[in-house]
Amino acid sequence: SQELEQSPQSLIVQEGKNLTINCTSSKTLYGLYWYKQKYGEGLIFLMMLQKGGEEKSHEKITAKLDEKKQQSSLHITASQPSHAGIYLCGADLTGGGNKLTFGTGTQLKVEL
Amino acid sequence: NAGVMQNPRHLVRRRGQEARLRCSPMKGHSHVYWYRQLPEEGLKFMVYLQKENIIDESGMPKERFSAEFPKEGPSILRIQQVVRGDSAAYFCASSPSTGGAASYEQYFGPGTRLTVT
Repeated sequence: SQELEQSPQSLIVQEGKNLTINCTSSKTLYGLYWYKQKYGEGLIFLMMLQKGGEEKSHEKITAKLDEKKQQSSLHITASQPSHAGIYLCGADLTGGGNKLTFGTGTQLKVEL
Repeated sequence: NAGVMQNPRHLVRRRGQEARLRCSPMKGHSHVYWYRQLPEEGLKFMVYLQKENIIDESGMPKERFSAEFPKEGPSILRIQQVVRGDSAAYFCASSPSTGGAASYEQYFGPGTRLTVT
């Protein structure tokens, strides 16, 4: 089984709606990273969380790491077509801060 | 400040040839990571390097693959005698060495898409 599970695998929302993507680990998360990838392109760094309970926001995207440090959620408020893409969570599961394990991604489509 | 640069963006090789993928980290970054994204699979860590040193190569296949990050110039991921199963997107990431939380932030390049025919 995957060490890092993302849900849902895919999501279609109407423009203006809110949405949440989850990332659950079978191990302690020493660092949790959220990236966005457009098909066929590189990864865009969104946020990194390290402390239990930590929450960060960038524009309309908010990410939180739960207190037990085994789950993170990414929340988008008032979605726009520019939010469409594949969202990937990556995790430091060893504490070394260098080797990231990635989930399989959540594909987001935003309909007008 | 330019981002992580990778070249070539697309590379086609016949079975048995060698593939060389280059990565120039962001300015001020001295840590480089290589990841591979196989079709329909997630990103997998391959190797972590600092200047002139391989720190962690636990994700590298035992044969045909090698990586270096010389004192001068880009990091190179080299695949010898490529096979069809090597077809994938290869991403390079870099992080700063300033210490603190920011030193763990990995910024990715656009990737090199290798196709083996």
